[in-house]
Amino acid sequence: NAGVTQTPKFQVLKTGQSMTLQCAQDMNHEYMSWYRQDPGMGLRLIHYSVGAGITDQGEVPNGYNVSRSTTEDFPLRLLSAAPSQTSVYFCATCLTGIRTIGSPLHFGNGTRLTVT
Amino acid sequence: QKEVEQDPGPLSVPEGAIVSLNCTYSNSAFQYFMWYRQYSRKGPELLMYTYSSGNKEDGRFTAQVDKSSKYISLFIRDSQPSDSATYLCAMSVVRGAQKLVFGQGTRLTINP
Repeated sequence: NAGVTQTPKFQVLKTGQSMTLQCAQDMNHEYMSWYRQDPGMGLRLIHYSVGAGITDQGEVPNGYNVSRSTTEDFPLRLLSAAPSQTSVYFCATCLTGIRTIGSPLHFGNGTRLTVT
Repeated sequence: QKEVEQDPGPLSVPEGAIVSLNCTYSNSAFQYFMWYRQYSRKGPELLMYTYSSGNKEDGRFTAQVDKSSKYISLFIRDSQPSDSATYLCAMSVVRGAQKLVFGQGTRLTINP
């Protein structure tokens, strides 16, 4: 049982390049989300999904796209990277519905992205 | 102004001390309050979960919520070097962990 797996662990991009951050989970969680973590800003929600085929924007969605074609995967796409997107990105998942009481958000170990 | 404010520290205390970590918030609709602990180069992990006002104790950890003051606290008794980590408060309007809003995190070091 791997939990939440994020790849790659590290990435360096040049301004204007595109890339996809991968997130996979094996816990059959309906809810999946992407956060970015920056010094002094804490964790900020980028996009989230409550099930396959359903996505929505969080607090800081600009510059990022997501899709959810399966329960297990929730990739985050940067179409044209900018230095302001230098950050640590976390994928996080949880249960939904009545089973959520006391159920935590499960995080991956992050992708450290630098845009030069 | 951020919805959730947390002093980022850093906070450094001797082993065995009582640690107090705090967050304030502005959205009165928050009902679910959590504390996450994050070790270096790892994702956050849930430490404590409380619903509405009151106290909750789990071993050396006590979480306290005061909705009238929009203020939550985490107390760590008999602190250990292994408690050294970043502590993040988080809260939500909806039941569960969806769309959590996090504080900035407080970096804590326990010195042996």
